[in-house]
Amino acid sequence: GAVVSQHPSWVICKSGTSVKIECRSLDFQATTMFWYRQFPKQSLMLMATSNEGSKATYEQGVEKDKFLINHASLTLSTLTVTSAHPEDSSFYICSASRDRDKQYFGPGTRLTVT
Amino acid sequence: AQKVTQAQTEISVVEKEDVTLDCVYETRDTTYYLFWYKQPPSGELVFLIRRNSFDEQNEISGRYSWNFQKSTSSFNFTITASQVVDSAVYFCALSEGGSEKLVFGKGTKLTVNP
Repeated sequence: GAVVSQHPSWVICKSGTSVKIECRSLDFQATTMFWYRQFPKQSLMLMATSNEGSKATYEQGVEKDKFLINHASLTLSTLTVTSAHPEDSSFYICSASRDRDKQYFGPGTRLTVT
Repeated sequence: AQKVTQAQTEISVVEKEDVTLDCVYETRDTTYYLFWYKQPPSGELVFLIRRNSFDEQNEISGRYSWNFQKSTSSFNFTITASQVVDSAVYFCALSEGGSEKLVFGKGTKLTVNP
């Protein structure tokens, strides 16, 4: 149990366009979902925390207008990278938790902006 | 402020060797949780263990064992009789008391050679 999926697994987009990444908890209801960013050979950096039905809480230095997070239901959160630029190319990982349990991570989405 | 240090960037061993991955943490909270995650080349993080600050008992799970020492603020991870499938990046992480936010170390890349 406790499976988290992400879609797409990889995406290539042109500079200036927007791209949406979905994160779903498949077999449980997630009270909280998290979005991380990981640059090549580096650690995971928390971008934001989202709770269903409320606004996401962004970490310092993360532009909320650029990285739009919507947590529409207890099983779905989306991250939209708006007006993407090459420097936004990265590995985006979501995680979900239930009842303040440990976080279950999705398989990640590799974004390449050309 | 919370911080996790994994001083070993890369470790290379030969199959069947034992290997220990170091993790040192900093926190001002008396209640906190420590984690280890494995990230294979596929990218998906695999949960290995969660330990709360009040439980200093060492834990063994098959070939894996963890040594938690509050006196040295360390939570080291040992793999006994390593196998090629153990090759991955291993992350140590910390969350403080009432927060679910995870702070990750920079990771240790383990390569097990046949």
